[in-house]
Parts: sequence; structure tokens; C-alpha cells
Amino acid sequence: NAGVTQTPKFQVLKTGQSMTLQCAQDMNHEYMSWYRQDPGMGLRLIHYSVGAGITDQGEVPNGYNVSRSTTEDFPLRLLSAAPSQTSVYFCASSGSRLGAETQYFGPGTRLLVL
Amino acid sequence: SQQGEEDPQALSIQEGENATMNCSYKTSINNLQWYRQNSGRGLVHLILIRSNEREKHSGRLRVTLDTSKKSSSLLITASRAADTASYFCATARSSNTGKLIFGQGTTLQVKP
Repeated sequence: NAGVTQTPKFQVLKTGQSMTLQCAQDMNHEYMSWYRQDPGMGLRLIHYSVGAGITDQGEVPNGYNVSRSTTEDFPLRLLSAAPSQTSVYFCASSGSRLGAETQYFGPGTRLLVL
Repeated sequence: SQQGEEDPQALSIQEGENATMNCSYKTSINNLQWYRQNSGRGLVHLILIRSNEREKHSGRLRVTLDTSKKSSSLLITASRAADTASYFCATARSSNTGKLIFGQGTTLQVKP
């Protein structure tokens, strides 16, 4: 199993550009989440999904969209990039059974918005 | 605001010593988890403790949970240089939602 994969690993955008961060998992996990990590801020939850077709907002959803058309994929879209969105983005997945709440993280995408 | 607050923000110890990190949270929880992050990498799960548990062990790790004080501690015994990393607590208010709220983390440096 590849686990949780994220692409790209690094991206530079200009203010106002849009892009999609890709996330995929091959563990048949129902739950998937997106976090951003900024220096000194820990991880903050952007959006999460409890299954295909179901998404909900986290702590800092503004400026981001998500969709979950399949169990495996959970892309994060930046609608109009801003310098404040410069961050490291992590995708994570976990199972739904009791005892399977451990989240598995991808390697991250480093985004720089100029 | 974030659920978890960790203390200390940074910790530097010698190899062989014990390291203790604390986490406080604000609301009721279903479970609390600890994760490790090596520099430039994703997070790796260490241990999960449920709200009806008070202590849990995994190898050199010992986690305690005091729900009356809304706090948890992570103890790493006989630390090694390879334990150098950032450690985060994360709380889940309900079981099985996939929604975790993370603290700001403790950066641990273990000197050889």
C-alpha cells in the first residue's frame, strides 16, 4: 500500500491564481481531512470528509473548496491564492471503525504564494 | 481557536533522560492522540487514549489523561537522539468523525 499520497510536493503561485492540491489514499478509509501547518501554529483543520459525497468545514475553511467524489480522492482547491495561504498542507485519512481513529498523513505539499 | 495547548513549546535534554510534554484542552473529548513529526515530514501516530482511560503505555511512551483537569501528558523514557522531533496532541470531540483538533506542538531536542 502506498498509504496517503499528495501531489505536488512543492508549488509556487502568484496571487490570484487557482490550483488543486491532490490527495489520494489506498487504505479504503472513509474519513479524509486537510490541514495546514504554519510556523508556531501547529496544524489547523481546513475541511474534512466522512465519506464519498460528504464534506464539512474545519477551523479555517475560507478560500478553500473540497469535494469527495470517490473514497480514494480528496482534492483541495484554492480558488484565488493569497500570500496568507503560503503554508504546508497535509492530507490525512482514517477508518470509521472504533479503534481505527488513527490518522495517516501524507508527506505534505509546500505552497508559496507570491 | 485551537483545542489543544502544549507545554513546553521547546524542550532540550540529554540522551538517556526522560522527556515530559503536557497538553491542555478546552472542551469534552472522546479521545486524545499524540503524534510525532520529524523535520520536513508528515505526522506519525504514536498513541491514542480514550476519555475513560487514565494511563496508557507503548514501549518507551507513557500517556496520562486527566479529564477533570482537561489535560494529558506524554512521557518518553530513556530518550534517544532519534526521538528529536516535534510532538503534537490532538483531540476528537466525538468518536469516528475523522475530525481532530491539534495543539501547537512541543519541539524536543535530544542531544547525544
